[in-house]
Amino acid sequence: GAVVSQHPSWVICKSGTSVKIECRSLDFQATTMFWYRQFPKQSLMLMATSNEGSKATYEQGVEKDKFLINHASLTLSTLTVTSAHPEDSSFYICSARDWTGAITYSYSPLHFGIGTWVSVT
Amino acid sequence: QQPVQSPQAVILREGEDAVINCSSSKALYSVHWYRQKHGEAPVFLMILLKGGEQKGHDKISASFNEKKQQSSLYLTASQLSYSGTYFCGTQRGFNAGNMLTFGGGTRLMVKP
Repeated sequence: GAVVSQHPSWVICKSGTSVKIECRSLDFQATTMFWYRQFPKQSLMLMATSNEGSKATYEQGVEKDKFLINHASLTLSTLTVTSAHPEDSSFYICSARDWTGAITYSYSPLHFGIGTWVSVT
Repeated sequence: QQPVQSPQAVILREGEDAVINCSSSKALYSVHWYRQKHGEAPVFLMILLKGGEQKGHDKISASFNEKKQQSSLYLTASQLSYSGTYFCGTQRGFNAGNMLTFGGGTRLMVKP
């Protein structure tokens, strides 16, 4: 089955520093990847849609200068939390849809990475 | 617009059944169901695309009522491994770029 690899699985950083999270599709190409954020016991909130070779599309209220997204290849998207602050501490999850063999794109499931726990001290 | 899930939480004894509902105020094109264990990423369960479609595997099945803009997930003869938080994700249009919007989640605990 389709695998999405996310690294690191957890990171502790100091306030003011940057954190970079990588998301790779291991056995399929992903022209689009999605970055979600999840607070404890809450739902998955879409932050942005990462598009290969073009600018990411950010959801309302998400600062694009703070959450930098780069999708340089068909298998890699990165999210960088710049000048991190304690309120940025959260669980960040990337995902991608593998529609290889699917009837339509809409029948393709989202495959999630393992997630990254970010703790800003 | 985030779909609404109900109930928010449910506790079952092993072998009991449960139904989780997902409703949207907007027309839906498809509904996805995922289960997330504590501290882990969500795992895909199933997708429903057509109105009235029902899908299932093992003792977990789901239905999608397009007219009512809602989907239900049925867990039959629950097992301890069913414990976790269930999310429905909705897609509003047929578009390769369309993302999923997730409901608030339903926390399910199955006790021996």
